[in-house]
Amino acid sequence: KQEVTQIPAALSVPEGENLVLNCSFTDSAIYNLQWFRQDPGKGLTSLLLIQSSQREQTSGRLNASLDKSSGRSTLYIAASQPGDSATYLCAVGFNDYKLSFGAGTTVTVRA
Amino acid sequence: DAGITQSPRHKVTETGTPVTLRCHQTENHRYMYWYRQDPGHGLRLIHYSYGVKDTDKGEVSDGYSVSRSKTEDFLLTLESATSSQTSVYFCALSRTGANYGYTFGSGTRLTVV
Repeated sequence: KQEVTQIPAALSVPEGENLVLNCSFTDSAIYNLQWFRQDPGKGLTSLLLIQSSQREQTSGRLNASLDKSSGRSTLYIAASQPGDSATYLCAVGFNDYKLSFGAGTTVTVRA
Repeated sequence: DAGITQSPRHKVTETGTPVTLRCHQTENHRYMYWYRQDPGHGLRLIHYSYGVKDTDKGEVSDGYSVSRSKTEDFLLTLESATSSQTSVYFCALSRTGANYGYTFGSGTRLTVV
């Protein structure tokens, strides 16, 4: 069974600081890894999708890396803003149909 | 996301009553999923569908059934609701499986009293 862990569970940083969010998974035989953002009381918004053959993906201030051999992914958010405050979820696709989710990291960016 | 709609958005029901949640898509995606989200557990897969009338169980399927009679609708039924099924339920779509990423609905908050 694929286990996905996100540490820390919560993070508070001052505005302008770079954010580093970690995700680890137990089975390296993955299809892809996806990062989501969830605002309180809302659904999930896809941020980045990394295929198993890729090492990283970038979108604006966001960059996600993938190291299958060590079972790790890292989401970097540059120059954080208060609007980045949300819960960030990591999800691993371990076959063609399913995702296993981490419990998330709740980020607070202080103005 | 405008292409996926869940209904109702909120529901309070009594223990032992049947409940049906609806997920409707306008994207013509093949794969549809039902997840539940609970504090400390993240999102857990209940059931999924890989085509009309083709469904399978996820990791927490006990007490739930699903049906998909047409591409655009995926129904989740709690045959006899229990307090442990109080949760937020999310529907998701994927075009050809997880390789193309998921799109999530806004969720249904279900409270069983």
